[in-house]
Amino acid sequence: EAGVTQFPSHSVIEKGQTVTLRCDPISGHDNLYWYRRVMGKEIKFLLHFVKESKQDESGMPNNRFLAERTGGTYSTLKVQPAELEDSGVYFCASSLQGAAGANVLTFGAGSRLTVL
Amino acid sequence: DQQVKQNSPSLSVQEGRISILNCDYTNSMFDYFLWYKKYPAEGPTFLISISSIKDKNEDGRFTVFLNKSAKHLSLHIVPSQPGDSAVYFCAASVLGDYKLSFGAGTTVTVRA
Repeated sequence: EAGVTQFPSHSVIEKGQTVTLRCDPISGHDNLYWYRRVMGKEIKFLLHFVKESKQDESGMPNNRFLAERTGGTYSTLKVQPAELEDSGVYFCASSLQGAAGANVLTFGAGSRLTVL
Repeated sequence: DQQVKQNSPSLSVQEGRISILNCDYTNSMFDYFLWYKKYPAEGPTFLISISSIKDKNEDGRFTVFLNKSAKHLSLHIVPSQPGDSAVYFCAASVLGDYKLSFGAGTTVTVRA
């Protein structure tokens, strides 16, 4: 079974530019999450999709961040325009809907974003 | 507002000895707790969990202890092995809410 795949693994952009991160969850996982870890701090929740619907986007920092999950499969997270404080590692995770231990997420390797 | 805290950023232990990682939380609504392990350039991987109805859960060399009154949990690894060198994250959630709150992680180094 393929795991959670994220692309790109590392992106370096200048302040003011746009970056789009992509996540392919495990096939059949209805739940998809985005998290972010900044500068060795805690991993922070950004948002949660159930299929194509945003279930919880309380962790999104501001309106420069836009997440989509068209068709309930892969998801994209766009940052536009990027600021210096957006630098960090963006993790995507997925889990089955309603399964036992549904809080157990499977994470991707992350996309490291560096904003100069 | 950080609801899950890991106050020790690093831990060094000799191979074969016990590693004890600590985690404190502030939200009394949390009722499910997890530990994740992370190697460099990889995503966190699930290690072990415990629900609030238990005070101990064991899986091989890994044991998690939960003290609800103190809002504290710990992860014991015994015996520690070189492959255990990684960053360990404590996480918590409310059952039914899929969102996890993570601590900042503890970097464990197992010395040969």
